[in-house]
Amino acid sequence: GEDVEQSLFLSVREGDSSVINCTYTDSSSTYLYWYKQEPGAGLQLLTYIFSNMDMKQDQRLTVLLNKKDKHLSLRIADTQTGDSAIYFCADPNSGNTPLVFGKGTRLSVIA
Amino acid sequence: DADVTQTPRNRITKTGKRIMLECSQTKGHDRMYWYRQDPGLGLRLIYYSFDVKDINKGEISDGYSVSRQAQAKFSLSLESAIPNQTALYFCATSDLKPGQGVYNEQFFGPGTRLTVL
Repeated sequence: GEDVEQSLFLSVREGDSSVINCTYTDSSSTYLYWYKQEPGAGLQLLTYIFSNMDMKQDQRLTVLLNKKDKHLSLRIADTQTGDSAIYFCADPNSGNTPLVFGKGTRLSVIA
Repeated sequence: DADVTQTPRNRITKTGKRIMLECSQTKGHDRMYWYRQDPGLGLRLIYYSFDVKDINKGEISDGYSVSRQAQAKFSLSLESAIPNQTALYFCATSDLKPGQGVYNEQFFGPGTRLTVL
């Protein structure tokens, strides 16, 4: 089955860029997703990228997709304390199946 | 009002008790899911349902059962709770719409924190 890997922790200083990395195994992925979980809350979709794209930019967020290496990254520019959260990479086994989530990367922003 | 609601939000119970966690949604989605979250293990899928007559096991279904009472309701039961079922449980919904291909964003409830003593 599909496997999604992420590092568990990342710590950055306020104002710096954060880069969260993810690797996945299923080469038939169509959409890949980034979710954000703030303390005490459920997961909310942050952004997504379609598999025929290499990059997607949305304000401070940049998603890079390397299909050859099955590598997905999320860059947050000018990281703020409000960005402190757990970030999950998610991928379906195929388009028609539930999302498979990575273990989540806990981002800590130091003021 | 929240689109995906879960009750209760917190529950403490004892080993061997039967527990039911409930999920309701007003999004009109056909697909519903139950996940559990444990520190360092991320989200793991317990059961999912693509419509009222469809129930599928996920990665970790042992010790759990589900009931899809209606399109809007999907409940998760622990027939005899054990301490390693202490976790944060999330319900989620999604829908595949014509013209959206296989875009399958899942919408999450706020979670139920279950503690089994």
